Amino acid sequence: DTGVSQDPRHKITKRGQNVTFRCDPISEHNRLYWYRQTLGQGPEFLTYFQNEAQLEKSRLLSDRFSAERPKGSFSTLEIQRTEQGDSAMYLCASSHRTGSYEQYFGPGTRLTVT
Amino acid sequence: KNEVEQSPQNLTAQEGEFITINCSYSVGISALHWLQQHPGGGIVSLFMLSSGKKKHGRLIATINIQEKHSSLHITASHPRDSAVYICAVSPGGSEKLVFGKGTKLTVNP
Repeated sequence: DTGVSQDPRHKITKRGQNVTFRCDPISEHNRLYWYRQTLGQGPEFLTYFQNEAQLEKSRLLSDRFSAERPKGSFSTLEIQRTEQGDSAMYLCASSHRTGSYEQYFGPGTRLTVT
Repeated sequence: KNEVEQSPQNLTAQEGEFITINCSYSVGISALHWLQQHPGGGIVSLFMLSSGKKKHGRLIATINIQEKHSSLHITASHPRDSAVYICAVSPGGSEKLVFGKGTKLTVNP
């Protein structure tokens, strides 16, 4: 098992462009989470999937943000019309179905909007 | 007021010192997590606990549910312990994590 992977690791984009990030969870983990972390702060919850169902979304997830997990495996997070305030580390985590709430984190995608 | 508060925000220690990081929370929880984040972003789970105390190597985590408080202790600290330590809680009824701002620990040789 290779752990949670995220792609790309770094993304620099110009304001107004759309970006898409991918997260591959640990296989057989049916729960997948997206968090955002700005400099000097702890991560903040964005959204959560159980299998392909998006069960919870934060108020932080404006209408420019959309996340999918079409087959209950990998997930994508898209940001449309990026703004400078979107610059952050986007973290993905996954957890197993039964019992534990322990979440396993990927390395993150660092987004810089210029 | 944040739901999860950590103290101190920054901590500098000499190698070998005993270190304590504190976490207080204001919501009902299913579990409390201590996480470690190194420069570059990767987050590693250190402990998940809902009562009592857990120990792993030189790390010890305790929680007092009644007082809504947890501590992370590092014995015989080492420069490789330098990292950001983050406290997070699983609010009751939700699977998301709510994080503190983290404590940046620097251990000097």
